[in-house]
Amino acid sequence: QKEVEQNSGPLSVPEGAIASLNCTYSDRGSQSFFWYRQYSGKSPELIMFIYSNGDKEDGRFTAQLNKASQYVSLLIRDSQPSDSATYLCAATTGGFKTIFGAGTRLFVKA
Amino acid sequence: DAGVIQSPRHEVTEMGQEVTLRCKPISGHNSLFWYRQTMMRGLELLIYFNNNVPIDDSGMPEDRFSAKMPNASFSTLKIQPSEPRDSAVYFCASSLGFSPSYEQYFGPGTRLTVT
Repeated sequence: QKEVEQNSGPLSVPEGAIASLNCTYSDRGSQSFFWYRQYSGKSPELIMFIYSNGDKEDGRFTAQLNKASQYVSLLIRDSQPSDSATYLCAATTGGFKTIFGAGTRLFVKA
Repeated sequence: DAGVIQSPRHEVTEMGQEVTLRCKPISGHNSLFWYRQTMMRGLELLIYFNNNVPIDDSGMPEDRFSAKMPNASFSTLKIQPSEPRDSAVYFCASSLGFSPSYEQYFGPGTRLTVT
């Protein structure tokens, strides 16, 4: 079974702090990796995607990929209460099959 | 621009009944995905289409589930007969291309309750 593993949390950080979300994947054939944010009762929305080793930054968000370690992370700088949500990590193979992790719940305390 | 449209938004039905969920992808998108989300199993890919052709239906849990995409602007997911364990939120998503790097845009979901 090809899997994407995440710590379910909840992860609680104070407002203004850095939130660090982690994800590992088992399929070495995975090519692209995505971070989705899902608010309670809503649909997932894309935050970042990455497919090359290293860091990718977009505003307060930085995605990191290490294919050798099969590890993906998402850093959220200057965390805001509005960032409180479940963050889903996803990996997609060349066949375009997307496997989602169970998600990490993040709480940002004001 | 309109996003992915799903109907109905909520469906309550009795065990044994047929359920049909509908999806209209974003205009111009050629790939469509059906997902199911539950607390226990998270977000699971059921089936996906490219240019209206089913590519991989290995995620469809049982023969009771079927999906069709008769044209580029419409897809259905049917459950017949429905069972209580089918209760979940069903999401439809579409993307512009058939490549791992393309973003999938999710619809609002259909919350299905089977009693």
